[in-house]
Amino acid sequence: SAVISQKPSRDICQRGTSLTIQCQVDSQVTMMFWYRQQPGQSLTLIATANQGSEATYESGFVIDKFPISRPNLTFSTLTVSNMSPEDSSIYLCSVEELGTGAKNIQYFGAGTRLSVL
Amino acid sequence: GENVEQHPSTLSVQEGDSAVIKCTYSDSASNYFPWYKQELGKGPQLIIDIRSNVGEKKDQRIAVTLNKTAKHFSLHITETQPEDSAVYFCAASRGRRALTFGSGTRLQVQP
Repeated sequence: SAVISQKPSRDICQRGTSLTIQCQVDSQVTMMFWYRQQPGQSLTLIATANQGSEATYESGFVIDKFPISRPNLTFSTLTVSNMSPEDSSIYLCSVEELGTGAKNIQYFGAGTRLSVL
Repeated sequence: GENVEQHPSTLSVQEGDSAVIKCTYSDSASNYFPWYKQELGKGPQLIIDIRSNVGEKKDQRIAVTLNKTAKHFSLHITETQPEDSAVYFCAASRGRRALTFGSGTRLQVQP
């Protein structure tokens, strides 16, 4: 399976600042996704990171708040902008790797644990 | 869009007993159903998955069953061990779409 490295693993930030999270994969992958996991909750998709074009955002998430880049097939960044305490969450990068059959398999990084004061 | 419901939210079993977690989905076009295990401080780890053309899949102590007619699927863990303690998430998707996750089940295996 693909090896996914996420940086930073955790951070404590002041409100009003921004944090950029990096996701690096050890092989080329077709799809990359960013999820948010609020404390004790399930995973919610923020957006699909598209290589060479603008990310596709889910309802409730906007580009101004969560700008995403994907310059190539192995790397993506998610920025959490103008942070508030409500942004305190785990942010997870996920990649879809080619698998057998008609559906590809999705793997997750270890996540970035963000606390906003 | 897809909606996945997961039950129970918490489950406590004695070591050696079996554990069953159930999920239902709403989109009849969903065709891929993975299960993830998330340990404290880690990202979700894929433990088993099943596709819509299969009714059951087993991998050692873990098995997943799928009932397409009823739109539900279940995770079965036999001979549970303390290291099985974690949060388990079911998910569903179709085609090339991202996963929709259930709300999670916190499994505690008592030694």
